[in-house]
Amino acid sequence: DQQVKQNSPSLSVQEGRISILNCDYTNSMFDYFLWYKKYPAEGPTFLISISSIKDKNEDGRFTVFLNKSAKHLSLHIVPSQPGDSAVYFCAARWGNAGKSTFGDGTTLTVKP
Amino acid sequence: GAGVSQTPSNKVTEKGKYVELRCDPISGHTALYWYRQSLGQGPEFLIYFQGTGAADDSGLPNDRFFAVRPEGSVSTLKIQRTERGDSAVYLCASSLSASGRAEDTQYFGPGTRLTVL
Repeated sequence: DQQVKQNSPSLSVQEGRISILNCDYTNSMFDYFLWYKKYPAEGPTFLISISSIKDKNEDGRFTVFLNKSAKHLSLHIVPSQPGDSAVYFCAARWGNAGKSTFGDGTTLTVKP
Repeated sequence: GAGVSQTPSNKVTEKGKYVELRCDPISGHTALYWYRQSLGQGPEFLIYFQGTGAADDSGLPNDRFFAVRPEGSVSTLKIQRTERGDSAVYLCASSLSASGRAEDTQYFGPGTRLTVL
């Protein structure tokens, strides 16, 4: 039973366009959501997060949207750059333990 | 300052052997996490420490897996009688505390790639 799902294994976009990565979750107890970026041979790096009491959080080119009723969140990257090419993981937490449940990732390729 | 470091970066062992994987967290971080990432999947939680004690070990798959953090800094993940299914990248992360607050970002190390032949 996978509680955090990223249904698109890969996404390819043109440089300068918008990248939209999607994530669905099933556990309504989750109260904090995160996106991580991972390059090959490196550990995941925190990108942006959102609390369940909000529906949007923006940080520069990155915006995360949360739709609690649909149990869905998305990461928007505008404009996309070739350096954004990486694997993006959606993760969720509940309570205050900090333990995260991850999706299987989406590989983003931004073409010059 | 230095980030989270993990040693070795790669470990190849034979089925049935014992292995130890080491994690050096960021100095001053009280919370330490171990995750396992299999090919094509996201990291899977194994155990986390708050200081020296294991606050949550619910992710350890069975009693062949054990982790310690005796002085509240370095942690060692120990796997006994390794099996081929244990092959994965083992990731360690640390954070300032385990409160789950927004500012308590988890910083990941590069991982140890374990291959069991």
